Amino acid sequence: QVQLKESGPGLVQPSQTLSLTCTVSGFSLTSYNVHWVRQPPGKGLEWMGRMRYNGDTSYNSALKSRLSISRDTSKNQVFLKMNSLQTDDTGTYYCTRDNLLGYNYVMDAWGQGASVTVSS
Amino acid sequence: DIQMTQSPPSLSASLGETVSIECRASEDIYSNLAWYQQKSGKSPQLLIYYASSLQDGVPSRFSGSGSGTQYSLKISGMQPEDEGVYYCLQGSKYPYTFGAGTKLELK
Repeated sequence: QVQLKESGPGLVQPSQTLSLTCTVSGFSLTSYNVHWVRQPPGKGLEWMGRMRYNGDTSYNSALKSRLSISRDTSKNQVFLKMNSLQTDDTGTYYCTRDNLLGYNYVMDAWGQGASVTVSS
Repeated sequence: DIQMTQSPPSLSASLGETVSIECRASEDIYSNLAWYQQKSGKSPQLLIYYASSLQDGVPSRFSGSGSGTQYSLKISGMQPEDEGVYYCLQGSKYPYTFGAGTKLELK
């Protein structure tokens, strides 16, 4: 059974760094890509970045200067770090699995989400 | 970046009514288009991938169509459990981009 679970602090102070962990089960990080997607309260979805199965990363250019995605395959974990947080970084952060369905890759499984509030 | 223009922003449908949601891409995305349903307080769930392929376990009243820059999601016979927000996602080029969402309610 494919599962992803995000974890991290619910509250981060402005200008500080957000650290989130996505722990996966039911599939291998060396065979599947994992993405991070976020959603401000009451708003739409924003793709943040991706950890490829081979360790390569891609980032949303709007966040690239602040964002880092890494992993520990032995622990089945993918990490997100984003610095210089501001209040508009408040929202729910999801990790998702990328799966080859048909002719292209698609995010077919999502974690429950981690709620992050940026506030002093 | 590829812009995804989704319409309408909101929709109200009666039980059994057929509804359609549209997404237009700012350039050809070669059917690399997925549709998600998000219910209140939950994670998005995949409905349709590669523009028209139904994800396993999704009711057959959901269907997708389109090519190039124009795509649509159709629900043939609105059910109470279909209430939620629907998003399109293009996976043709990084950064992946989502439509702004369509809020669907039962009338």
